[in-house]
Amino acid sequence: AQSVTQLDSQVPVFEEAPVELRCNYSSSVSVYLFWYVQYPNQGLQLLLKYLSGSTLVESINGFEAEFNKSQTSFHLRKPSVHISDTAEYFCAVRSRGGTSYGKLTFGQGTILTVHP
Amino acid sequence: GAGVSQSPSNKVTEKGKDVELRCDPISGHTALYWYRQSLGQGLEFLIYFQGNSAPDKSGLPSDRFSAERTGGSVSTLTIQRTQQEDSAVYLCASSLPEVGEKLFFGSGTQLSVL
Repeated sequence: AQSVTQLDSQVPVFEEAPVELRCNYSSSVSVYLFWYVQYPNQGLQLLLKYLSGSTLVESINGFEAEFNKSQTSFHLRKPSVHISDTAEYFCAVRSRGGTSYGKLTFGQGTILTVHP
Repeated sequence: GAGVSQSPSNKVTEKGKDVELRCDPISGHTALYWYRQSLGQGLEFLIYFQGNSAPDKSGLPSDRFSAERTGGSVSTLTIQRTQQEDSAVYLCASSLPEVGEKLFFGSGTQLSVL
């Protein structure tokens, strides 16, 4: 069994400030890690993922996340946010192996609100 | 269409009635998933289809919930004898069945049971 904890339900920040959205997970097996984002009035979409290799992964819009196995964390960061980054962000994990490819365990979500 | 389509977008029903929710995945995506997003509870996995078969139904909360997929495409999630606790957003996603797959989500069906 797995669980995902997103430590902050809401994060308000000002435009151009740095932000970190925290995610910790618990699992008895190795996992793949994901961040999904839901913009207002849109469906969930994949932001970035960690499968193997370099523990630092990046998205095309400037977000990055680092897999820390010892701390079982996968925090999401951006050095300078924009108004358009306002959205709800979900951290998710999936067991390595098995065949239920899309069976993700999601966190509760963090609402990021960027103020001008 | 280019994305995952779900209908209806909103459904209001009375307790005890049956409801059907529809999902039309992206063409060519053989894998299809149903999730439920309840207020304050995040997203909860319900069922996974590979083609027309459902190798993983472990997330269905009770025997009032069932789902089918026909022609390797459209899927229907049926909730019988709805209860107020069934109120949630029901999300459908599709993907190619591969490691590190990218799920494409629909906009969901908001179900309200009065």
